[in-house]
Amino acid sequence: GENVEQHPSTLSVQEGDSAVIKCTYSDSASNYFPWYKQELGKGPQLIIDIRSNVGEKKDQRIAVTLNKTAKHFSLHITETQPEDSAVYFCAASPRDSWGKFQFGAGTQVVVTP
Amino acid sequence: DADVTQTPRNRITKTGKRIMLECSQTKGHDRMYWYRQDPGLGLRLIYYSFDVKDINKGEISDGYSVSRQAQAKFSLSLESAIPNQTALYFCATSALNGEAFFGQGTRLTVV
Repeated sequence: GENVEQHPSTLSVQEGDSAVIKCTYSDSASNYFPWYKQELGKGPQLIIDIRSNVGEKKDQRIAVTLNKTAKHFSLHITETQPEDSAVYFCAASPRDSWGKFQFGAGTQVVVTP
Repeated sequence: DADVTQTPRNRITKTGKRIMLECSQTKGHDRMYWYRQDPGLGLRLIYYSFDVKDINKGEISDGYSVSRQAQAKFSLSLESAIPNQTALYFCATSALNGEAFFGQGTRLTVV
């Protein structure tokens, strides 16, 4: 089955700096890779996703890159703001089971003013 | 109103009791899921259902059962709760393209 590893487990950044979270996956059949943000007391919320037919996707200050050969994908947050403080999860899903995810363990991001 | 609604939001129960967590969605999706979240372990899949007549075990189904009462409703039961089932439980739905939507979660404590 799929195994997703996520690093680092905690990340402290100064406001305005960039944050990078990395994930690796094991199942070569995985081809959908979403990133979720979870704020305290709330459920995970999709912030960006990427499919295996593209290598990079951007949405304002957030970007995701995918290297299928190396089986890793990364989340990049630029110009971090205090409201970016949250737990971020990566996930992977194969085409025949889209929505059925294997999640990484999560990264606690703290943005200090 | 939330697209995915879970009830209750918090529950404390005693060891050995049966408990049901309920989930309803207004997204119109066929696919629904129950995940469990523990600190440092991320979210792990308990059960999933790709349509009303389809029920599948996930990674950690032992000690749990589910019922898909309708397209919009998917409930999770703990037949005889034990302390190591203390966790945060999330229901989710997904579109056919995989994009998933999560409920606010149910915090369950088994004493």
